[in-house]
Amino acid sequence: AQSVTQLDSHVSVSEGTPVLLRCNYSSSYSPSLFWYVQHPNKGLQLLLKYTSAATLVKGINGFEAEFKKSETSFHLTKPSAHMSDAAEYFCVVSDGNYQLIWGAGTKLIIKP
Amino acid sequence: DAGITQSPRHKVTETGTPVTLRCHQTENHRYMYWYRQDPGHGLRLIHYSYGVKDTDKGEVSDGYSVSRSKTEDFLLTLESATSSQTSVYFCSGGAGGDTDTQYFGPGTRLTVL
Repeated sequence: AQSVTQLDSHVSVSEGTPVLLRCNYSSSYSPSLFWYVQHPNKGLQLLLKYTSAATLVKGINGFEAEFKKSETSFHLTKPSAHMSDAAEYFCVVSDGNYQLIWGAGTKLIIKP
Repeated sequence: DAGITQSPRHKVTETGTPVTLRCHQTENHRYMYWYRQDPGHGLRLIHYSYGVKDTDKGEVSDGYSVSRSKTEDFLLTLESATSSQTSVYFCSGGAGGDTDTQYFGPGTRLTVL
């Protein structure tokens, strides 16, 4: 069965410093992986997705994620945080049956 | 995504009453999904639809039913609401498939007293 673990419930960084949100997955086959973002009191939006093409995936707003099969990880990074990045981020894996398995989420806090 | 709307956006109801939440899409998505979001759990799939009148259960389907009589509308019904169903409900749509992007509505905050 597929599962996903987001290793931090909250991450706090200063504006202008790098962001790292960690995600590990478990899958019995080569999965599709996604990062979605949810800004306060808003719906969810796709940041980026991995679908077995390039292992380094670039998304919107300067975010990127690297698929590492040997480590079963799909960490999300951004070189320089902006105040507008404050949101909750979800790592998601497909279950092979057109359904998505969601991580519990990581709240990103940006300090001025 | 402006192509998916949900109504109502907020609802307060009493335990034991029926509740229907509506999801409407204008993007011709074949697949539609209902999730609930609770603190510490991310999103959990309640039911999904893969076409008109074609639906299936998700991870947390007990106490919920759905209907899809036309492509545009996907209804979620709580036959007899309980306090454990207090949550934020999200509807999404997409083409279907393991690499599919899902597009989400703005959510409905439901409180069951």
